[in-house]
Amino acid sequence: SQTIHQWPATLVQPVGSPLSLECTVEGTSNPNLYWYRQAAGRGLQLLFYSVGIGQISSEVPQNLSASRPQDRQFILSSKKLLLSDSGFYLCAGSGGYEKLFFGSGTQLSVL
Amino acid sequence: DAKTTQPTSMDCAEGRAANLPCNHSTISGNEYVYWYRQIHSQGPQYIIHGLKNNETNEMASLIITEDRKSSTLILPHATLRDTAVYYCIVRQFMEYGNKLVFGAGTILRVKS
Repeated sequence: SQTIHQWPATLVQPVGSPLSLECTVEGTSNPNLYWYRQAAGRGLQLLFYSVGIGQISSEVPQNLSASRPQDRQFILSSKKLLLSDSGFYLCAGSGGYEKLFFGSGTQLSVL
Repeated sequence: DAKTTQPTSMDCAEGRAANLPCNHSTISGNEYVYWYRQIHSQGPQYIIHGLKNNETNEMASLIITEDRKSSTLILPHATLRDTAVYYCIVRQFMEYGNKLVFGAGTILRVKS
């Protein structure tokens, strides 16, 4: 079965510091991969999705970027974090028909 | 740009059926309806999906109206552990891959 590994579970970063969140996938090849963000008490906002290595689609203008250096690796980055980047970040993948499998999430607090 | 409308919250008595409605009046003929749920501070969990016919699995049943403009997720015997946010989603086809856009969802509270 497909598994999404995401780490760390929690992260506290100062404003202006860089960010790198990594997500890896097991159990499927050539998955579609997604990064979502959830603000406190809100729904999930789709940030990026990727259909293959090096292919990234951005959904909203923002301070973040994504990269997919390998088929089963998806990275979320920022050069300088803002307070508004705080939130719960979720990586998800699917091998088809968008039956998404989510990672356990990273709670990012920018202070 | 979610294409679905759900009630903000619902309550259900433990052991009774929970019926969660969803409107998707602009759904296209080849778009699937998906249901996920999210327990606090966890990643969403897939429940069920369907296109035209009613679907049932070990977790729930999905009833889709004949015109496909609405659907209902049914949890036949709700337990306290079913308390969660339930998302109804219509898969949107894109030029490169497909995406699932989550709306605000329905907060289901199962009470003893």
